[in-house]
Amino acid sequence: GAGVSQSPSNKVTEKGKDVELRCDPISGHTALYWYRQSLGQGLEFLIYFQGNSAPDKSGLPSDRFSAERTGGSVSTLTIQRTQQEDSAVYLCASSPDGAGGPLSYEQYFGPGTRLTVT
Amino acid sequence: GDSVTQMEGPVTLSEEAFLTINCTYTATGYPSLFWYVQYPGEGLQLLLKATKADDKGSNKGFEATYRKETTSFHLEKGSVQVSDSAVYFCALTRRGAQKLVFGQGTRLTINP
Repeated sequence: GAGVSQSPSNKVTEKGKDVELRCDPISGHTALYWYRQSLGQGLEFLIYFQGNSAPDKSGLPSDRFSAERTGGSVSTLTIQRTQQEDSAVYLCASSPDGAGGPLSYEQYFGPGTRLTVT
Repeated sequence: GDSVTQMEGPVTLSEEAFLTINCTYTATGYPSLFWYVQYPGEGLQLLLKATKADDKGSNKGFEATYRKETTSFHLEKGSVQVSDSAVYFCALTRRGAQKLVFGQGTRLTINP
């Protein structure tokens, strides 16, 4: 079946512009996660959705970052007024059950969106 | 807070060599432990997992055993192949915490 998809695969933007990154999780997966992969910081958690609500936003680095999920499916990560330190690969993952059941431990990752802020 | 520490890379081996990539963790409670792999140009894939102490995860000839007494989850393979060249990430998650906490990654290169 189809895996997690993300778009765009690459995004180059000018400092100060807003960007939106999209994630389509695996159909039926209730949990959705955003991570960031950068050279200096490794792989960092950003936010977790269970259904349409976000019980854990603790990884969002500043109030310029926000995310939403609609219909328990597609999620959008928005970065406002981008800065050069936002350059990274943004990864989305989904899981069949984010509520602590046994299936919640397996996260399936998308290919990522490479964001470059110039 | 929770953390994962991996041996620093890069690691370069010859084909058929024995591989060990060390991973230790710090976490409260009883985390689940994972190894993820990122092949060149591809996304992160789950390689293996262990959800309780003394569990052994295995896949594609790789193994790792959850050692609570040493808080470790070292990755091993008896005979590596060129196709194993990738970046390997050790990670943990805690029930209720949901998020994965990753180590810094270890780049492995296997030469023929």
